[in-house]
Parts: sequence; C-alpha cells; structure tokens
Amino acid sequence: GQNIDQPTEMTATEGAIVQINCTYQTSGFNGLFWYQQHAGEAPTFLSYNVLDGLEEKGRFSSFLSRSKGYSYLLLKELQMKDSASYLCAVEDSGYALNFGKGTSLLVTP
Amino acid sequence: IAGITQAPTSQILAAGRRMTLRCTQDMRHNAMYWYRQDLGLGLRLIHYSNTAGTTGKGEVPDGYSVSRANTDDFPLTLASAVPSQTSVYFCASSILAGGTDTQYFGPGTRLTVL
Repeated sequence: GQNIDQPTEMTATEGAIVQINCTYQTSGFNGLFWYQQHAGEAPTFLSYNVLDGLEEKGRFSSFLSRSKGYSYLLLKELQMKDSASYLCAVEDSGYALNFGKGTSLLVTP
Repeated sequence: IAGITQAPTSQILAAGRRMTLRCTQDMRHNAMYWYRQDLGLGLRLIHYSNTAGTTGKGEVPDGYSVSRANTDDFPLTLASAVPSQTSVYFCASSILAGGTDTQYFGPGTRLTVL
C-alpha cells in the first residue's frame, strides 16, 4: 500500500519563502517528484529526488530524507504566479507514480 | 512540436454511452499513462503502457479500457459511462517506462456523465 500526505492548503505573502512538506509511507521507493499545477491546467514537472539531500533549481528547491519518508519543496521570493497546487508523487511500484492529494498555495500581495 | 494532445477538451455524456478519449504524443516516448483527477482525491492512475503493444492496470481501472497499437496513440475507452466517471482525465508520457522518468502531461479532458 501507499500513503502520501501533504497539507491541503497554505497561504504565503509575495516575496516570502514557503515550505511545502510531504511525508510518505510506501511499499517501495524509486524516487520522488514535485509537480506544479495551475487551476484548469495540466501538472508540470518541478523537481526529482532519488538520493537524500537538497536539489536546487532557481527559486525552487526540493529536499529528500529517505530514512524519514519525508520531502519538502521550498519556494523562495514568492511571486503571485506561484499560486497553484503542488503535487508530491512517489514512484514505488516500478511502473508508475503515486500522487498525494496536492497542496493548494495562495500567494497574497 | 505539440507534445501531448488530448481530445476532446470537454464532453458531456449520457450515462450508458460509450466514449473514447484520445491521446497522442509526438515525442516518441515509450511509456504512456492515463490518470483521473477528482477534487479531494488527487491524481489516480487508471491504466498505463510501458511500450507499444503492452498495457497494464493502475489503481482505478474498472470501467475503463486502453490500447496501444503504436508509440504515439493511447486511447482510453469508457464502455458504458456512469456518473462516477465524471472527472478530469489527463494523459501523460515519459521517455522511459517504470515511473522514474519525468512524466509530461496533456492538457486534460473534462468529462461529465449525466
């Protein structure tokens, strides 16, 4: 079985930093993805972690601790366009991703 | 380059009708996937295909069928639609099979079954 947990909603201020957490309990682990999804649009790839540690990509960073079953997505210098849902997904089966329910982030002025 | 296209964009369907959602990719990706996305439930895998000629069942396959006659196309068929199949359907593809490769999503089909 698999269980992937993320907060349902978060609110942050433009220019600030926000951390979106994801915890997982899965039967296997082959990697963790973060996707961004704006309302009414398709998910788009943000980051991939398979080894412990921090992956930095511009304003976005993603961290993974396999021993704790934990990841976070860090968004710096928040912009209004960052208002979206952020999806955590784990590859645990060898054939496809299992997605969390997503975190809806609202960036306010 | 179009990437992944889906058709139709949206559809309203009477219960009991047969419906095929189309998905085409021009990236020569080996693997393709169908997900449904429902409020409060997130993305759930319906069926997948690791390569042309092969398909597999995901988390919620009942009531759906797929085929993969060639690399580019991966249609999803609802043999007899029911209201619980009202959802947004996303097709995705990745270069490699197995789920560890980045998946690219199509724009989605919004289906309403009445």
